[in-house]
Amino acid sequence: GAVVSQHPSWVICKSGTSVKIECRSLDFQATTMFWYRQFPKQSLMLMATSNEGSKATYEQGVEKDKFLINHASLTLSTLTVTSAHPEDSSFYICSARDRGEANYGYTFGSGTRLTVV
Amino acid sequence: RKEVEQDPGPFNVPEGATVAFNCTYSNSASQSFFWYRQDCRKEPKLLMSVYSSGNEDGRFTAQLNRASQYISLLIRDSKLSDSATYLCVVDAYTSGTYKYIFGTGTRLKVLA
Repeated sequence: GAVVSQHPSWVICKSGTSVKIECRSLDFQATTMFWYRQFPKQSLMLMATSNEGSKATYEQGVEKDKFLINHASLTLSTLTVTSAHPEDSSFYICSARDRGEANYGYTFGSGTRLTVV
Repeated sequence: RKEVEQDPGPFNVPEGATVAFNCTYSNSASQSFFWYRQDCRKEPKLLMSVYSSGNEDGRFTAQLNRASQYISLLIRDSKLSDSATYLCVVDAYTSGTYKYIFGTGTRLKVLA
């Protein structure tokens, strides 16, 4: 089945630094990938939709200058948390769907647990 | 009103019990529906898609009621390993793109 690789799995960074998270579709092409954030005991909240070759679409309330998304190829999307602060500490997850499997659900990466100290 | 609503639970049930979860959605244009399972501190994993005619996969049965805009998940003969959070997911076409909208999840604890 479709596999999405996400790394790093966890990262601890100092406040004010930037962190890049990668999301790769390993055995399929994904024109669209999605980035979610999940705080403890809460649901996944969609942050943005990453579109290959074009600008990402951000959900209301998500700062596009703070969460930079780049989708340069059909298999790779990156999320960069710029000038991270403790309140950005969360579980970030990407997802994608094989273009040829429209009737199946999305596959998720294993997530990145970000802790900003 | 939230786009996708679920009872957060927890549902505490004994092994072998049958348990059902419901989920309601607000966007009548929604096309695809799924149940995902999420274990603590892990990513969600697809449990099953939900089809209009209803579908079954082993001990799991999913139903869709478009008129009332809800979907359900039935788990029979609960196992300890079924303990997890079950996420209702609706794939809705909005603003020119499809988006996955998650419910808050329903926590299930199966007790020995």
